[in-house]
Amino acid sequence: NAGVTQTPKFQVLKTGQSMTLQCAQDMNHEYMSWYRQDPGMGLRLIHYSVGAGITDQGEVPNGYNVSRSTTEDFPLRLLSAAPSQTSVYFCASSYSNRGTDTQYFGPGTRLTVL
Amino acid sequence: GQQVMQIPQYQHVQEGEDFTTYCNSSTTLSNIQWYKQRPGGHPVFLIQLVKSGEVKKQKRLTFQFGEAKKNSSLHITATQTTDVGTYFCARTGSNYQLIWGAGTKLIIKP
Repeated sequence: NAGVTQTPKFQVLKTGQSMTLQCAQDMNHEYMSWYRQDPGMGLRLIHYSVGAGITDQGEVPNGYNVSRSTTEDFPLRLLSAAPSQTSVYFCASSYSNRGTDTQYFGPGTRLTVL
Repeated sequence: GQQVMQIPQYQHVQEGEDFTTYCNSSTTLSNIQWYKQRPGGHPVFLIQLVKSGEVKKQKRLTFQFGEAKKNSSLHITATQTTDVGTYFCARTGSNYQLIWGAGTKLIIKP
């Protein structure tokens, strides 16, 4: 199993550009989520999904969209990039959404917005 | 509220010294998870604690859950260079999402 994969690994955007961060998992996990990690602030939840066709907002959803058309894929879209979105983005998955399951993380996407 | 306070933010130790990080909550926790993130890497699950007073060991790592289930600690005995990284605790929030502490960065002095 590849586990959780993310592309790209690095990305530089100009303010106002849009892009999609890709995330895929091959563990047949129902629950997937996107986090951003900023220095000294731990991980903050952006959006999550408890199954195909179902998504919900996390702690910091503004400026981001998600969709979940299949169990495997959970892309994150930046609508109009801003310098405040410079961060490391992690996708994670777990078997269920009960909050007691192990979360498996992808390698991350390091995004810089100029 | 639901936040978890994790201290210290950084800890510098000589190789061979011990390391401890603490997570504290103002409310009772249903469970606590611990993760390790190596520099440039992603968080990796270490363990989950669910019972009051629970103590679990993984080689040189000892995890404790307080009797009141409001705090937890991770203690590393005789640190090695492979222990370098940031250690996070995370609790389950009211909507079943994980809420993360800010992490404690373990730095080994040269």
